Amino acid sequence: KAGVTQTPRYLIKTRGQQVTLSCSPISGHRSVSWYQQTPGQGLQFLFEYFSETQRNKGNFPGRFSGRQFSNSRSEMNVSTLELGDSALYLCASSPRGGLADTQYFGPGTRLTVL
Amino acid sequence: AQSVTQLGSHVSVSEGALVLLRCNYSSSVPPYLFWYVQYPNQGLQLLLKYTSAATLVKGINGFEAEFKKSETSFHLTKPSAHMSDAAEYFCAVGVSGGGADGLTFGKGTHLIIQP
Repeated sequence: KAGVTQTPRYLIKTRGQQVTLSCSPISGHRSVSWYQQTPGQGLQFLFEYFSETQRNKGNFPGRFSGRQFSNSRSEMNVSTLELGDSALYLCASSPRGGLADTQYFGPGTRLTVL
Repeated sequence: AQSVTQLGSHVSVSEGALVLLRCNYSSSVPPYLFWYVQYPNQGLQLLLKYTSAATLVKGINGFEAEFKKSETSFHLTKPSAHMSDAAEYFCAVGVSGGGADGLTFGKGTHLIIQP
């Protein structure tokens, strides 16, 4: 089975712009979670989608949003980019979601905000 | 809210020596506990997880971890380090409920293997 794929792998944006990141989960997985990784804050949970519905949400401002499509692919959008949004954004998929499920991570999208 | 503390941002061991990476957690309810490894420019790979079954959990690549409730610890060990073990290691805790069932990660420990 193909693993979790994320596109693009690298992205450079300027402050104030918006960005959309894409995640394709492992075939058959219905849960997709997003995480932000920065040197200062480490890995932080953004949100989880399951069957096109946001099921869980971390402590991030409303500028961070996401959605999931019927084929379980997910997109994450960040509006009005700030310098502090520079990070590695990781997507993880699992069959059913929930903590007992193993999450499989993609390679990440590295976003640089100038 | 739960939290994770990984003692030592960098740990250096000689090839063939014991690897011990420390993780302490806080949680008001029985937690799920995980260890992940991250190689440069890659995502996270699950090494092992504790889900309230056996307290000694065996994972991939010869790693294991022991859940000690009284010490709120979940330390990762490997009897003999290999050069390929050099990577960043993350301990994570997850608890159900509260609308934020995502994992809470520690800051990570960079494992250095000396030849």
